Amino acid sequence: DAKTTQPTSMDCAEGRAANLPCNHSTISGNEYVYWYRQIHSQGPQYIIHGLKNNETNEMASLIITEDRKSSTLILPHATLRDTAVYYCIVRFLNAGGTSYGKLTFGQGTILTVHP
Amino acid sequence: DTAVSQTPKYLVTQMGNDKSIKCEQNLGHDTMYWYKQDSKKFLKIMFSYNNKELIINETVPNRFSPKSPDKAHLNLHINSLELGDSAVYFCASSQGSGSKDTQYFGPGTRLTVL
Repeated sequence: DAKTTQPTSMDCAEGRAANLPCNHSTISGNEYVYWYRQIHSQGPQYIIHGLKNNETNEMASLIITEDRKSSTLILPHATLRDTAVYYCIVRFLNAGGTSYGKLTFGQGTILTVHP
Repeated sequence: DTAVSQTPKYLVTQMGNDKSIKCEQNLGHDTMYWYKQDSKKFLKIMFSYNNKELIINETVPNRFSPKSPDKAHLNLHINSLELGDSAVYFCASSQGSGSKDTQYFGPGTRLTVL
């Protein structure tokens, strides 16, 4: 799986949008970008994933650049409960569309949301 | 209802003992995983099972033996516990199929070896 680079930490004011960047310059055409987060002392939680189009769900938006070498996770209105470590993961789903594959977690970005 | 559950939540034991951690998922998923998060907070996969078959074994010492009695359960047995086994162990499950392959994690089991 392609390596990702994320800032070590970021701050955000409550109610503001949190924009978390991720570089994945070695991503290949059949690798997806996944975002998970881990709130203190809990298991990781899936947020969103995408291949090349921008994606949005009830939690966040994912913006992937046209060359796919970087992406940004956007939490539109951050709350104190969004304070967590955010992991950007690039993973391969095979041609059959199945994957029993591992998630390779890096260091992630510690997002702290302030009142 | 808890989707992925683990027992126990905390486990404190002496070096050399044998212990088991249990995991159950009620999501109807085909694939289950064990991850280890060490003191530096790195999360690494240990094992993956699909329909009770071992799919991934990430060079884990053979003191660790996963067992899947059915596709809803994946237990982790650890023999001859060592200090370095102290960590938080997370179980996860996924449908294991293409873009639906989102992994859902349990709350973790904090293992402390004294």
